[in-house]
Amino acid sequence: GDSVTQMEGPVTLSEEAFLTINCTYTATGYPSLFWYVQYPGEGLQLLLKATKADDKGSNKGFEATYRKETTSFHLEKGSVQVSDSAVYFCGLNAGNMLTFGGGTRLMVKP
Amino acid sequence: NAGVTQTPKFQVLKTGQSMTLQCAQDMNHEYMSWYRQDPGMGLRLIHYSVGAGITDQGEVPNGYNVSRSTTEDFPLRLLSAAPSQTSVYFCASSYSSTPQRGQFFGPGTRLTVL
Repeated sequence: GDSVTQMEGPVTLSEEAFLTINCTYTATGYPSLFWYVQYPGEGLQLLLKATKADDKGSNKGFEATYRKETTSFHLEKGSVQVSDSAVYFCGLNAGNMLTFGGGTRLMVKP
Repeated sequence: NAGVTQTPKFQVLKTGQSMTLQCAQDMNHEYMSWYRQDPGMGLRLIHYSVGAGITDQGEVPNGYNVSRSTTEDFPLRLLSAAPSQTSVYFCASSYSSTPQRGQFFGPGTRLTVL
């Protein structure tokens, strides 16, 4: 079946540091890929998505590129802020089901 | 719009008790789903529905029942609660199963089974 693997956290960075959270997937067919973010005490919110190979999703300074050859969708941000502290989930959407990775907690220190 | 609402926010049950987690959305979304979130395991799909009267199983359906009598509501029933069902439960909705704008999630229900 489909699966998503993302790096375990927590990831701790200083403000303005560069962020990478790795995500790889296994799926049949051509899934859509996405990143969701969960702030403390809240539900998940869509951060960005890509629907086909080589597409780049971007939002709020975050970006990720759909790499079919490496089955990856790594999340990057050039300069993180304290307000980016949250749990980030990578996932894929194939057919009627969405599959999430285990989540990566990001902590940004001032 | 209230978006996706869930009740209750917190619940403690004893083993063997039954209860229903409520989920409602006011966005006229066809697709609704239930997930459970456990530490280190991300979100796992329990059941989903592509429209009123249609439901299907997700990755971890055992011990849970759902029904979809209206577009707005998608309750999740625990028939006989077990400690393994201690988790945070999220309901989500979207226009379709492959939404361009992603799914809208409710605030969650934290369930503890003693």
